[in-house]
Amino acid sequence: GESVGLHLPTLSVQEGDNSIINCAYSNSASDYFIWYKQESGKGPQFIIDIRSNMDKRQGQRVTVLLNKTVKHLSLQIAATQPGDSAVYFCAEKVAGGYQKVTFGTGTKLQVIP
Amino acid sequence: EAGVTQFPSHSVIEKGQTVTLRCDPISGHDNLYWYRRVMGKEIKFLLHFVKESKQDESGMPNNRFLAERTGGTYSTLKVQPAELEDSGVYFCASSHNTEDILHFGNGTRLTVT
Repeated sequence: GESVGLHLPTLSVQEGDNSIINCAYSNSASDYFIWYKQESGKGPQFIIDIRSNMDKRQGQRVTVLLNKTVKHLSLQIAATQPGDSAVYFCAEKVAGGYQKVTFGTGTKLQVIP
Repeated sequence: EAGVTQFPSHSVIEKGQTVTLRCDPISGHDNLYWYRRVMGKEIKFLLHFVKESKQDESGMPNNRFLAERTGGTYSTLKVQPAELEDSGVYFCASSHNTEDILHFGNGTRLTVT
């Protein structure tokens, strides 16, 4: 798995509880936001996205909230399961053209059985 | 459909040696991206190809890194000569167009000793 030279923020959650992972983004021009999940030994996997004209979007067991005023993004996972254990990255992008996706530092989610 | 594949999955080389990483994007994806995660920090953008052309190489750290995508299919990333600080996980991602989500490979873990 990944070795962590710099300790990631870690969130420990009991199985069955809800998880909330927070992210502050930096570019006020960003208008497209994505959450990725990275499991050990794998690449980042898309979870959910949201555009800046929305403040909430729901998927299966996941909800993303966007607060543009304070440049804050959160990912809520309902009824957290052991398979949710991973590192979660928020990412931002300026929509349109060839703008790159910029990732945040990541938060490690540990689910306690 | 087959996902993004990267080769090798692991590489251990000595400082001063050369390493070439390969990425095969999803078939038909014109956009190919290289990212890397060093010392467990955030995932940082390296460069973006559109077909065989370099659209954005602003993230390439220095001239020891050379990326190519001849023919607009697979891509290689060569590091020559490798330095200790190049150790990390190198991810490749592809997308059909720039508004699509990124599909990541499982990465190549590079260790320079």
